[in-house]
Amino acid sequence: TQLLEQSPQFLSIQEGENLTVYCNSSSVFSSLQWYRQEPGEGPVLLVTVVTGGEVKKLKRLTFQFGDARKDSSLHITAAQPGDTGLYLCAGTSITGTASKLTFGTGTRLQVTL
Amino acid sequence: NAGVTQTPKFRILKIGQSMTLQCTQDMNHNYMYWYRQDPGMGLKLIYYSVGAGITDKGEVPNGYNVSRSTTEDFPLRLELAAPSQTSVYFCASTPFFLGSQKNIQYFGAGTRLSVL
Repeated sequence: TQLLEQSPQFLSIQEGENLTVYCNSSSVFSSLQWYRQEPGEGPVLLVTVVTGGEVKKLKRLTFQFGDARKDSSLHITAAQPGDTGLYLCAGTSITGTASKLTFGTGTRLQVTL
Repeated sequence: NAGVTQTPKFRILKIGQSMTLQCTQDMNHNYMYWYRQDPGMGLKLIYYSVGAGITDKGEVPNGYNVSRSTTEDFPLRLELAAPSQTSVYFCASTPFFLGSQKNIQYFGAGTRLSVL
């Protein structure tokens, strides 16, 4: 069974601070996705990283895929209350004719004024 | 833009009852998935389908059944509800093979199920 461990599990910070969320696995993934989920809703895709070492930026969010494609990080610069939510990483694995997502354990972020 | 629609939004079941969670997508996606999410946790794959008539087990299939008679619908069946099945259930669909960088997995809003 492939596992994706996220750290930290919970993070409470003030507006304007920077933070990094980590997503680690012993398995290699074809690609890795980051989602954000708000209460009462399904996860919404933020980014997909495919190439080892790849870095993608989405405004104040920076995503990095590890060289070995086993881990990833999400860095948020100058966090805002609107960034509050559950952040999930998910690795893609291909088995036979199908491909599946394995989700991480999640990081709950709260940004206060 | 309906996307992925799940019904019902909430349900309370007694132990041993059965029910079907409905999932419909209007985007003509081949791939559909059922996940469960326990409080504060990530999602675990229950079943998935790569097209009409084809289904396969995910990580936690015990206690559930699925069918895929059409491209649009992918219902999830609980035959004998147990307290361990209390969770939020999400259905998702995607048009592409997940290895594609263009792929986006679209999620429904979820069904919150309590088994008492």
